[in-house]
Amino acid sequence: KAGVTQTPRYLIKTRGQQVTLSCSPISGHRSVSWYQQTPGQGLQFLFEYFSETQRNKGNFPGRFSGRQFSNSRSEMNVSTLELGDSALYLCASSQGNAVGGPDEQFFGPGTRLTVL
Amino acid sequence: DAKTTQPPSMDCAEGRAANLPCNHSTISGNEYVYWYRQIHSQGPQYIIHGLKNNETNEMASLIITEDRKSSTLILPHATLRDTAVYYCIVRVTHSGNTPLVFGKGTRLSVIA
Repeated sequence: KAGVTQTPRYLIKTRGQQVTLSCSPISGHRSVSWYQQTPGQGLQFLFEYFSETQRNKGNFPGRFSGRQFSNSRSEMNVSTLELGDSALYLCASSQGNAVGGPDEQFFGPGTRLTVL
Repeated sequence: DAKTTQPPSMDCAEGRAANLPCNHSTISGNEYVYWYRQIHSQGPQYIIHGLKNNETNEMASLIITEDRKSSTLILPHATLRDTAVYYCIVRVTHSGNTPLVFGKGTRLSVIA
């Protein structure tokens, strides 16, 4: 099976612009989670989508949004970029419907966003 | 906030066992212990998880104390490719999915 893919791998934007990142989960996985990693704050959960619905949300401002399509592919969008949004954005996929047990998350390689 | 405490860094000689400790003294009965690692600039990689019994897979062993307040990840024969940041995560799992809450992890350096 192919792993989680993220595009683009690298991105440079300027303050005030917006950006859209894409994630293709492992085939058969219905849950996609997004995380932000910065040197100062470490790895932080942004949100999770399951069957095209946002199911969990972290503590990030409304400038960060996402969506999921019927084929489980997901996009996240950051509007009005700030310098502090420079980070590695990671996507993780899982089956998402585990009952009473663990649900392993498999991570993609990430998109490195630099805001100038 | 992360519910685990890990040493910030450890060294291990190549070929020796690496024992990475984790304290999770406030763990609840329905919370699992997960371990992930992140090799520089890559996405985190799942290693192993457990509830109360010791677990072993092809990558590592997980030893959980009887009171479940701490655990140890064991890499039996560390290689240079095991150099990474290792994260111990406590996670409630039930029907559906719960986010992973990452702490600062332990930076393991395997030395030749």
